[in-house]
Amino acid sequence: AQKITQTQPGMFVQEKEAVTLDCTYDTSDPSYGLFWYKQPSSGEMIFLIYQGSYDQQNATEGRYSLNFQKARKSANLVISASQLGDSAMYFCAMRVTGAQKLVFGQGTRLTINP
Amino acid sequence: GAVVSQHPSRVICKSGTSVKIECRSLDFQATTMFWYRQFPKQSLMLMATSNEGSKATYEQGVEKDKFLINHASLTLSTLTVTSAHPEDSSFYICSARDQARAYQETQYFGPGTRLLVL
Repeated sequence: AQKITQTQPGMFVQEKEAVTLDCTYDTSDPSYGLFWYKQPSSGEMIFLIYQGSYDQQNATEGRYSLNFQKARKSANLVISASQLGDSAMYFCAMRVTGAQKLVFGQGTRLTINP
Repeated sequence: GAVVSQHPSRVICKSGTSVKIECRSLDFQATTMFWYRQFPKQSLMLMATSNEGSKATYEQGVEKDKFLINHASLTLSTLTVTSAHPEDSSFYICSARDQARAYQETQYFGPGTRLLVL
């Protein structure tokens, strides 16, 4: 069975610092996709970044990058130069090719302090 | 691009009534939409996968007759909570995959609907 684990229930970071949110996954399928979503207090889920299991390079989207370590089955999200608006819940998710649904981790609540 | 809307954003109803929630993909077509439920401070729980023109696929433990899903067009899926009770109070959020960009696998989420059953 597929599983996503986020071990950090909460993180506190000073503004402008970089932050790494941990995500490990478990699957026996060789083909899968990994996603990060941001959920502000308003509730909407905002897509941040995607990494395919066969992608050779780590995905990057602006201030977001995904540290993909396939052998360790980890897909950590790195946010550079954090901003106050980055305060939110962050969810890691996985989709196994052949299945349509996403499996979500429990989330990490990130708080950026001024 | 890839905008998904939900209506209503917030609803309060009496126990025993039915509530319909709409999920629309505004700038793309979605053959597949997904309905999730989220309790406070918890992760998203997939309720069902909605396929245009066919019956929805429900996750184990989700009552089909309680949560009716209709996906009548490529841009609209509806979730009806029938005979709602206080335990149905929750945050319901839908997502959709862009048919034209299915290879990207990304699900785009709506803003969610907060349901409170009194």
